[in-house]
Amino acid sequence: QKEVEQNSGPLSVPEGAIASLNCTYSDRVSQSFFWYRQYSGKSPELIMSIYSNGDKEDGRFTAQLNKASQYVSLLIRDSQPSDSATYLCAVIRASYDKVIFGPGTSLSVIP
Amino acid sequence: SQTIHQWPATLVQPVGSPLSLECTVEGTSNPNLYWYRQAAGRGLQLLFYSVGIGQISSEVPQNLSASRPQDRQFILSSKKLLLSDSGFYLCASLGGLAYEQYFGPGTRLTVT
Repeated sequence: QKEVEQNSGPLSVPEGAIASLNCTYSDRVSQSFFWYRQYSGKSPELIMSIYSNGDKEDGRFTAQLNKASQYVSLLIRDSQPSDSATYLCAVIRASYDKVIFGPGTSLSVIP
Repeated sequence: SQTIHQWPATLVQPVGSPLSLECTVEGTSNPNLYWYRQAAGRGLQLLFYSVGIGQISSEVPQNLSASRPQDRQFILSSKKLLLSDSGFYLCASLGGLAYEQYFGPGTRLTVT
C-alpha cells in the first residue's frame, strides 16, 4: 500500500461546478496535511494546510480531514478554468523530517 | 516568509558531463532542506534531505549526491549524468507551525 494515495484522474468539471479531490494516507501518526497546486512546468504551490479534524475554509477552497478514516479532501467551489492544474496531497509526521506526497490528481475545468 | 532561489532555471547537458545545481534560502535560519526530482508527467521523488550543515540523508541510491556547506545553501551534484537524470529538480524547505513545505522555482534539466 502506498503511503499517500489520491483519486485517479484526470478529473474534468464544468466551470462553476464543485471539484472534489480525495486523498488517503496509511500512517496513523501523520499530524499535518497539505494540498498543493502545480501548474504545468511550474513548482508546487501550497494552497491549504490542515491538522485538526473537520473542515477548514479559505475562499473557494475547503479542506476536510478525518483522521479516524485516514482521509483528507479538497473541495473547490465555483471552479474556474484557472484552477486547471495537478493537485498534490501531502502529509507529514510531526516528529519526522520528510513530507510524503501523493501522485497527484489532474483537474481540468471546462469553460 | 521564506524565499527559495534556484539556479540555473534550465540546463541542457550531455551524457557523462558533471552537474551542479544550487539552492539558497532566505528568511529563515537552520531550515530543513530537500531536493526532489519530477520526471515528465510523474510525481515528486525525494532525493535528499538535510536537517543541518553537513547532514545529508539519501532517499534513492543513484549517481547523484548532495551537500550543505552553509546553513541556507543546498547543492545537488553529479560526476557523470545519465539520460535518466533528465527532469525537473526542485529544492524545498520546511517551515511554519504545521510544517509546511515551500518550493523553489525549479531547474529543468535535459540530458542529451
